[in-house]
Amino acid sequence: GAGVSQSPSNKVTEKGKDVELRCDPISGHTALYWYRQSLGQGLEFLIYFQGNSAPDKSGLPSDRFSAERTGGSVSTLTIQRTQQEDSAVYLCASSLGLAGFYEQYFGPGTRLTVT
Amino acid sequence: KQEVTQIPAALSVPEGENLVLNCSFTDSAIYNLQWFRQDPGKGLTSLLLIQSSQREQTSGRLNASLDKSSGRSTLYIAASQPGDSATYLCALTPAAGNKLTFGGGTRVLVKP
Repeated sequence: GAGVSQSPSNKVTEKGKDVELRCDPISGHTALYWYRQSLGQGLEFLIYFQGNSAPDKSGLPSDRFSAERTGGSVSTLTIQRTQQEDSAVYLCASSLGLAGFYEQYFGPGTRLTVT
Repeated sequence: KQEVTQIPAALSVPEGENLVLNCSFTDSAIYNLQWFRQDPGKGLTSLLLIQSSQREQTSGRLNASLDKSSGRSTLYIAASQPGDSATYLCALTPAAGNKLTFGGGTRVLVKP
């Protein structure tokens, strides 16, 4: 079956521009996560959506970062006024429910380069 | 705050040798521990999920153990093959939350 998909696969943008990254989770998965993988930083949690509950935004590094999930399916991560330190691979994952009980399945990621 | 450590950061072994990958964590209050594989330029592939009540999980040549009291998990890969070359990451779901905390990964090279 179809896995988690992300688009674009690569994005190069100029410092100061806004970018939108898209994630399509596995059909039927109620939980969706965004992570960031940077050189030297490892993988860090950004934000988590579960059903209709308020998202857990505790990992967002600044107010330039925001995310939404429409209709309980597709999610968009938006970074405003990009900075060079935002360059990283942004990974999306989905699971059937709470991470405590279900495996997370990851997409291939979007590599963001801010010049 | 949960700290997850994977040592060594890199490992090189000849084909056929068994691989032993270590993951240590500081807070034993976890829901589960998951091992992932990441190939260069790719996303993560889930290998094994161990619930906090379990001691080990097996899938083919892979076996993962969990010892919460000592804050350790070990991933064993038997009879390694060049195709096993990748970065292996462990990640924990804390009992108090739903987000994964990742270790830094171990980069494995299996030489033919």
